[in-house]
Amino acid sequence: GAVVSQHPSRVICKSGTSVKIECRSLDFQATTMFWYRQFPKQSLMLMATSNEGSKATYEQGVEKDKFLINHASLTLSTLTVTSAHPEDSSFYICSGQSWGAGTEAFFGQGTRLTVV
Amino acid sequence: QKEVEQNSGPLSVPEGAIASLNCTYSDRVSQSFFWYRQYSGKSPELIMSIYSNGDKEDGRFTAQLNKASQYVSLLIRDSQPSDSATYLCAAPGSYSSASKIIFGSGTRLSIRP
Repeated sequence: GAVVSQHPSRVICKSGTSVKIECRSLDFQATTMFWYRQFPKQSLMLMATSNEGSKATYEQGVEKDKFLINHASLTLSTLTVTSAHPEDSSFYICSGQSWGAGTEAFFGQGTRLTVV
Repeated sequence: QKEVEQNSGPLSVPEGAIASLNCTYSDRVSQSFFWYRQYSGKSPELIMSIYSNGDKEDGRFTAQLNKASQYVSLLIRDSQPSDSATYLCAAPGSYSSASKIIFGSGTRLSIRP
């Protein structure tokens, strides 16, 4: 399957700071990227959908000013958690899909964010 | 809003036996379904896709789709301890080729030696 690379795999930050997570599609052009959050022992929760070159579409209840998503190229999408708080500590996962390649989603490795 | 339902488990199966995971969905016209495996602390990995009624086999895994009854299942033969994970059933949320995926809540599978 296609490869999606996500960095960093783990990050610890102080409350009030911002953290940027990168998601790259290595061997395909991801026209659409999805960002998920997963709390322990819970299922994936879709946060937002981003299409290359346009603004992201956020799911209900997700603050767009807090979770900034940029998808400036067909191979890179970033999620920035701004003014992080301890309740933002979670496992963040991106996935990429490509037009014409079916509807399968290929996931990055995930980022474990801990806000202290 | 399409829904994908799974029993959360845990499902405990002895090593070497067949593990059977089930999933139902609410949208009668869904065309494709996916099974993902997620180990604790890791991101999901795609293990099976199925697009038409019937069975699809890949190694020890068999996916079964019954569109009339709106269920999809995953059978794991000769279960191994390394199969212990959470299995997520998923379906596209719409018909566009880059649609968001709707995930079930996942079934935790435990293979006991």
